[in-house]
Amino acid sequence: DTGVSQDPRHKITKRGQNVTFRCDPISEHNRLYWYRQTLGQGPEFLTYFQNEAQLEKSRLLSDRFSAERPKGSFSTLEIQRTEQGDSAMYLCASSLMGLDTGELFFGEGSRLTVL
Amino acid sequence: GENVEQHPSTLSVQEGDSAVIKCTYSDSASNYFPWYKQELGKRPQLIIDIRSNVGEKKDQRIAVTLNKTAKHFSLHITETQPEDSAVYFCAARENYGGATNKLIFGTGTLLAVQP
Repeated sequence: DTGVSQDPRHKITKRGQNVTFRCDPISEHNRLYWYRQTLGQGPEFLTYFQNEAQLEKSRLLSDRFSAERPKGSFSTLEIQRTEQGDSAMYLCASSLMGLDTGELFFGEGSRLTVL
Repeated sequence: GENVEQHPSTLSVQEGDSAVIKCTYSDSASNYFPWYKQELGKRPQLIIDIRSNVGEKKDQRIAVTLNKTAKHFSLHITETQPEDSAVYFCAARENYGGATNKLIFGTGTLLAVQP
């Protein structure tokens, strides 16, 4: 499968623990995005990278959240000291800058449940 | 920043009827407006998009219209089928300084097509 892949697909953790999600984008895509989606809501922007550079981070994003894309390929999203309000689906998407539309290709998501 | 509103939140139609979903956006600089379909437990997938220099675009049973002056755009699905049942998200792409930026999503419309 040459689409966007995310791991793990599901994560259950206790409040206060740290969690890390991984995203592998489509190989030639230079842009990578993280979104968060809660039930009944649209994807909410968290951050995005162009190659290895983090270009924007949502103002709504707590400093407990950090994302990296060290070699411009896969990315990780870490949440420290998780809270129940962090429970959501974390979606990764990639796109190829330079394409006229910049269509986002989404992964299946990583569902986080914080107990 | 950009803000996207979407209505209705739920829509139920009989098979064969048409469905219309409407979105408004706030930033007149936004230049690209995609629509994504998300089936239960699946990733969002692009179904149609429109750029700001076009007023209407059609692809088989799906069409999108854009009114730049009023800053609203709509998705039209004709001859609906049960497999059209899903959540539909509109989005607008921010455009600052001519650079491609992130997509801002609406809150989604749950479309149910009754056989």
